[in-house]
Amino acid sequence: SQKIEQNSEALNIQEGKTATLTCNYTNYSPAYLQWYRQDPGRGPVFLLLIRENEKEKRKERLKVTFDTTLKQSLFHITASQPADSATYLCALGRMDSSYKLIFGSGTRLLVRP
Amino acid sequence: DAGVIQSPRHEVTEMGQEVTLRCKPISGHNSLFWYRQTMMRGLELLIYFNNNVPIDDSGMPEDRFSAKMPNASFSTLKIQPSEPRDSAVYFCASKVGTGGLGEQYFGPGTRLTVT
Repeated sequence: SQKIEQNSEALNIQEGKTATLTCNYTNYSPAYLQWYRQDPGRGPVFLLLIRENEKEKRKERLKVTFDTTLKQSLFHITASQPADSATYLCALGRMDSSYKLIFGSGTRLLVRP
Repeated sequence: DAGVIQSPRHEVTEMGQEVTLRCKPISGHNSLFWYRQTMMRGLELLIYFNNNVPIDDSGMPEDRFSAKMPNASFSTLKIQPSEPRDSAVYFCASKVGTGGLGEQYFGPGTRLTVT
């Protein structure tokens, strides 16, 4: 069965450092991958999309990589700030049913001031 | 734009009662999704509408669950009868166009507790 894994343990880092979150998947051939941010009591908010033929995508302090050989995506936040503290979800999609996103369980990020 | 609007934000009901969750998508968005989020199973797609037509309801857990979209600006998710295991946060999301490449805009969710 399809499986998407994100670190269940919270990532705790110092302000100013780079946060790196991991999304691994098995038995799945995604055409694209999305990253969302979710704050407590709120719905997920879209951050970035990366296609299978793209190795890297950047947006301001955010960077996403996509390695279809390793079946892994890395999500980086550089110069992290306490306001970046949230849960980050990865979601995989396929071209044949492109509306259907399969979400990971999310990784909670805590940035200490 | 106000974003995706969901109501109620919180619902507490007793087992066996009917529950109706409501969603108003962003104007101009023609794709609408209902999701359920729990600690155990994460965020799961329940049903997907495109241009008000249900396209994929394979995620609807049981016949107790039903969803409608009578027009482009309104959708409901109904659970009848409700059970304690239905307790979860239910999200509605909308997006422009067909397919998944575009970003989905999520509502604030409805936290459902069935006692």
